Amino acid sequence: KNEVEQSPQNLTAQEGEFITINCSYSVGISALHWLQQHPGGGIVSLFMLSSGKKKHGRLIATINIQEKHSSLHITASHPRDSAVYICAVPYSGGGADGLTFGKGTHLIIQP
Amino acid sequence: DTGVSQDPRHKITKRGQNVTFRCDPISEHNRLYWYRQTLGQGPEFLTYFQNEAQLEKSRLLSDRFSAERPKGSFSTLEIQRTEQGDSAMYLCASSLGSGSQDSPLHFGNGTRLTVT
Repeated sequence: KNEVEQSPQNLTAQEGEFITINCSYSVGISALHWLQQHPGGGIVSLFMLSSGKKKHGRLIATINIQEKHSSLHITASHPRDSAVYICAVPYSGGGADGLTFGKGTHLIIQP
Repeated sequence: DTGVSQDPRHKITKRGQNVTFRCDPISEHNRLYWYRQTLGQGPEFLTYFQNEAQLEKSRLLSDRFSAERPKGSFSTLEIQRTEQGDSAMYLCASSLGSGSQDSPLHFGNGTRLTVT
C-alpha cells in the first residue's frame, strides 16, 4: 500500500505570499492528484499529473517521479485560497484502483 | 452534467441500526469510488467499481459494509448494525477510465453519518 506524507500540516500566510505544499509517496505511481477541500466537505480535483508540471491560473503542480515527490504552488495567494489541500496517489501504485490520501494541508490566507 | 450527487446529506442513526447511502455518479463515468473521512483526516479508500463490477475492497470495509452498483450507474453503500466508530463523512467519487488510465475524480458532497 502506498504511503503519503504531506507537509506542512498547517500553514498561515499573508495575502500575496507564494505558497508551497509538499507531498511524498512510497510506491511508484501512474498519476498523482491534488485536491482542494473547503469547509463543509466539498472536494474539488485541482490537478492530476504523471510527469513534469501543470498550471491552472495561479496554481502550479510539479512532480518528480524518480524522487516520488510533488509540490503544489499558489502564486499571489488570496483569502479565497483558504482550504485544505490534499495529495492523493493510487492505493497500490497502479491507475485503476482507489486512492490513498495524505492528511491534508490546512491553509489559511489572511488579508 | 449535474455532477456527483449523494443522498442523504446527513444521517443520524442509533447504534445497531442499518443505514444505506446512495451515490449517483456523472452519467458517462464508468468508475465509482467510495471513501470515508473522519474529522481532521484525509479520505480513506473503501471500495471501487468499474461499471457494475466491484474490483477492489479495502480492509477497512468490514463484513458489516456492503456496496453495490447493480446496473453500472448509481451505487449504494449499506452499513449493517452500525457502531459509533462508523460516524464519518462518506464520500463518493466517479471518473472515466480505461485500463490503467484514469481521468480526474469528481467528488460528491458526501453523506455525514452520526451514530448515537
